[in-house]
Amino acid sequence: KAGVTQTPRYLIKTRGQQVTLSCSPISGHRSVSWYQQTPGQGLQFLFEYFSETQRNKGNFPGRFSGRQFSNSRSEMNVSTLELGDSALYLCASSFSGSETQYFGPGTRLLVL
Amino acid sequence: KNEVEQSPQNLTAQEGEFITINCSYSVGISALHWLQQHPGGGIVSLFMLSSGKKKHGRLIATINIQEKHSSLHITASHPRDSAVYICAVTANTGNQFYFGTGTSLTVIP
Repeated sequence: KAGVTQTPRYLIKTRGQQVTLSCSPISGHRSVSWYQQTPGQGLQFLFEYFSETQRNKGNFPGRFSGRQFSNSRSEMNVSTLELGDSALYLCASSFSGSETQYFGPGTRLLVL
Repeated sequence: KNEVEQSPQNLTAQEGEFITINCSYSVGISALHWLQQHPGGGIVSLFMLSSGKKKHGRLIATINIQEKHSSLHITASHPRDSAVYICAVTANTGNQFYFGTGTSLTVIP
């Protein structure tokens, strides 16, 4: 069974731009969660989607948004990028959200 | 205030040593997770616990719900165990995820 995939793996953007990251969960998994990891703040929960609905949300500004499609693939969008948005963005999937999560390799975003 | 605290932050051990990493949390939880992150960023979920003890190979995870404490033990440590170990909890209100800051483990041959 293929694992969680994320695209792109690396991305460089400039301040003010917007970015869209993609996550394809393991086949059959309907819950997709997104996390941000920075050296200063560590891992932080962004949001969780289940069956195309945002079920939970962390404490991030509205510039961070996401969506989930009917095939469970999820996208995360960050608008008006700031230098502090430079981070590793990880997604994880599970069948319903209450079991072990399987993490993707992450997208490393650098904002210049 | 951190909902999840881990100790120690850094740990160096000789190959073969028994290792313990501790995690304390302050929120009500539905589950506690131990994650392993290798250089390069990839995260692997090692355990998900809601009570008792789980064992997988040389790794053992325990949780004491009353004391809000969990431990991850590694027996007969090996250099390939070198990684960052992260404790995370799923809060029982709102399904929020909270992470510890991680324990960086280096096992020396």
